[in-house]
Amino acid sequence: EDQVTQSPEALRLQEGESSSLNCSYTVSGLRGLFWYRQDPGKGPEFLFTLYSAGEEKEKERLKATLTKKESFLHITAPKPEDSATYLCAASGAGSYQLTFGKGTKLSVIP
Amino acid sequence: DVKVTQSSRYLVKRTGEKVFLECVQDMDHENMFWYRQDPGLGLRLIYFSYDVKMKEKGDIPEGYSVSREKKERFSLILESASTNQTSMYLCASSSPSGTSGYEQYFGPGTRLTVT
Repeated sequence: EDQVTQSPEALRLQEGESSSLNCSYTVSGLRGLFWYRQDPGKGPEFLFTLYSAGEEKEKERLKATLTKKESFLHITAPKPEDSATYLCAASGAGSYQLTFGKGTKLSVIP
Repeated sequence: DVKVTQSSRYLVKRTGEKVFLECVQDMDHENMFWYRQDPGLGLRLIYFSYDVKMKEKGDIPEGYSVSREKKERFSLILESASTNQTSMYLCASSSPSGTSGYEQYFGPGTRLTVT
């Protein structure tokens, strides 16, 4: 059974304090590893897809990386507007479905 | 940009009522999904559809049904609403194209309260 585990559950950072969110996955034949941002009361917003180990993608202060067992979402010099829940998901071979982690709630304090 | 819309942002229904939640996507995606999201439980898949008139059960289909009569529209039906179906309902769509990782695009969600 595919599994995605995110840590920590919650992270509190001072503005400008860089850190990383972790996503560990067990998926048969990884087709893609996805990161989403979700603001309270809204639907998840797609950020990145990573396809293979060693791949990196960047968007503003966010950089996602992928190894054979984990993905990291690095946040550089975060701002209060980066506060949100970040979700990780994975899809395996032969499936259109995504397996989601439970998310990391990030709070960036001014 | 992909756009997924849901018929209501907030909905309040009484126990036993039949409830319809509608989702429309404008990107000609083949795949559509319905999830519910609850604190501490994360996103759970209710039903999904690979094509018009096709449907597959997800992890928690009990108490729900779906309809997909047109490619762009996917409806979730609560046959007889119960208080334990109070939740945030999220619709998503994706396309199984050759270059896609099958990323899903979500609608804004419907917060359903059953009293």
